[in-house]
Amino acid sequence: GAVVSQHPSWVICKSGTSVKIECRSLDFQATTMFWYRQFPKQSLMLMATSNEGSKATYEQGVEKDKFLINHASLTLSTLTVTSAHPEDSSFYICSAPHLPLEGGGWNTEAFFGQGTRLTVV
Amino acid sequence: AQKITQTQPGMFVQEKEAVTLDCTYDTSDQSYGLFWYKQPSSGEMIFLIYQGSYDEQNATEGRYSLNFQKARKSANLVISASQLGDSAMYFCAMRAGGTSYGKLTFGQGTILTVHP
Repeated sequence: GAVVSQHPSWVICKSGTSVKIECRSLDFQATTMFWYRQFPKQSLMLMATSNEGSKATYEQGVEKDKFLINHASLTLSTLTVTSAHPEDSSFYICSAPHLPLEGGGWNTEAFFGQGTRLTVV
Repeated sequence: AQKITQTQPGMFVQEKEAVTLDCTYDTSDQSYGLFWYKQPSSGEMIFLIYQGSYDEQNATEGRYSLNFQKARKSANLVISASQLGDSAMYFCAMRAGGTSYGKLTFGQGTILTVHP
C-alpha cells in the first residue's frame, strides 16, 4: 500500500523558536496533502490543505503566518511552526490522498504519516 | 457542511466479546464516503473499513464490520471477538461528495478499552 512518511516523530523546542515538520509520500505522487492537529484525547482537526506549486488553503481560525506550509514537490510538504509557544504543543499529522489501483484491494482515500508530537518548553 | 458525531467518549469490553462503536453523520450530499480509523497510543492512524453511500451491502473487513443505516445516517463499527490489542481510540470520518478527495472530517473519537 501507499506509504506516507512524517519526520520527526517527536520534537522538543524552546519557546520562540521555529520547528519544521516534513511529510513525504514515498511511493506515489501527492499534489495535495492535508495537515491536521490533535490535542490529547481529542479529534483530528484539519488545519490546512497543502497544494503542490501553489499556496496552501487554511481552515478558518488557523494563523497562516504561524503555520507555514510549503509543498515544493510532488512528494514533499512541510509544516513550519514559527515562533512556537507552549500552546502550540500538540500532535501534528499529515495525510495524502491516493486513488486506489484497479483491484488494489484497499479502499481508503487518505494515507497518514506517523505524526509528530511537538512539545514547546 | 458535514458533521460526524461519536457520542461514546469511552467504551469497555471484555476480551473475546463483540463491541459496537456508534457514529452518526450529517451531510446534504448524496454521495459520500464513511471511514473508520484506529489510533493506538503511538498516534498512527490505521485505516479499518470504508463504506460508500451507494454501497448496498454493509462493509466487512475481518473482525470489523460497518452497520450502515442510511436512513438513520448512522455508520456504527462492530468489532467482533475483541482482543487486548484493540484497545485504542477509534475515529469515524467522512468525506462528502463536494470536498476534495482524501479530505476527511472526523468525529470526536471513542476510547475503547478491552479487559482481559
